Amino acid sequence: NAGVTQTPKFRVLKTGQSMTLLCAQDMNHEYMYWYRQDPGMGLRLIHYSVGEGTTAKGEVPDGYNVSRLKKQNFLLGLESAAPSQTSVYFCASSYVWRVGSYEQYFGPGTRLTVT
Amino acid sequence: AQSVTQPDIHITVSEGASLELRCNYSYGATPYLFWYVQSPGQGLQLLLKYFSGDTLVQGIKGFEAEFKRSQSSFNLRKPSVHWSDAAEYFCAVGTPGGNKLTFGTGTQLKVEL
Repeated sequence: NAGVTQTPKFRVLKTGQSMTLLCAQDMNHEYMYWYRQDPGMGLRLIHYSVGEGTTAKGEVPDGYNVSRLKKQNFLLGLESAAPSQTSVYFCASSYVWRVGSYEQYFGPGTRLTVT
Repeated sequence: AQSVTQPDIHITVSEGASLELRCNYSYGATPYLFWYVQSPGQGLQLLLKYFSGDTLVQGIKGFEAEFKRSQSSFNLRKPSVHWSDAAEYFCAVGTPGGNKLTFGTGTQLKVEL
């Protein structure tokens, strides 16, 4: 099992450009998440999905869109990149092994720089 | 809403010394609690978790954590630190019936040889 994978690993964008980050998991997990990690701020939830075809906003959703067309994939889009979106982006997935219980498995991250 | 505080931004310990990383949470009932570790350039790896039952939980790599309801704490401990334990450690809280985690800001551990 590859677990959670993220594509690409690194990317540099110019302000105003768009891009899509791909997250894939092969564990048949229902839930998937996108976080951003900034120094001194821990991980902040951008968007998440509780199943195929469903998405919801997290703590810092502005400037991002997501889609979950297939259960194993969760895409994060930046429509018009801004320098404030320079960050490390992590995808995670989780299963519910009992009602209300869950633990998240993380991908290796994507380092995005917006100039 | 739940929240997590990790009061120590940086901690330095000598190899072989004991370690305790602090985590305090805010939630009205018994939360779900997690500790994750992040090595440089890597994703987060789960060390241990607490849902209910025994308040002392054992994790991987020789780590343990104790849930103390009266102190709203879930501190991470290791009796003897190894140089390979140098990393950033994150405490996280989840809520029963929920599906999201709230992370602390992390504690950077440095191990002196």
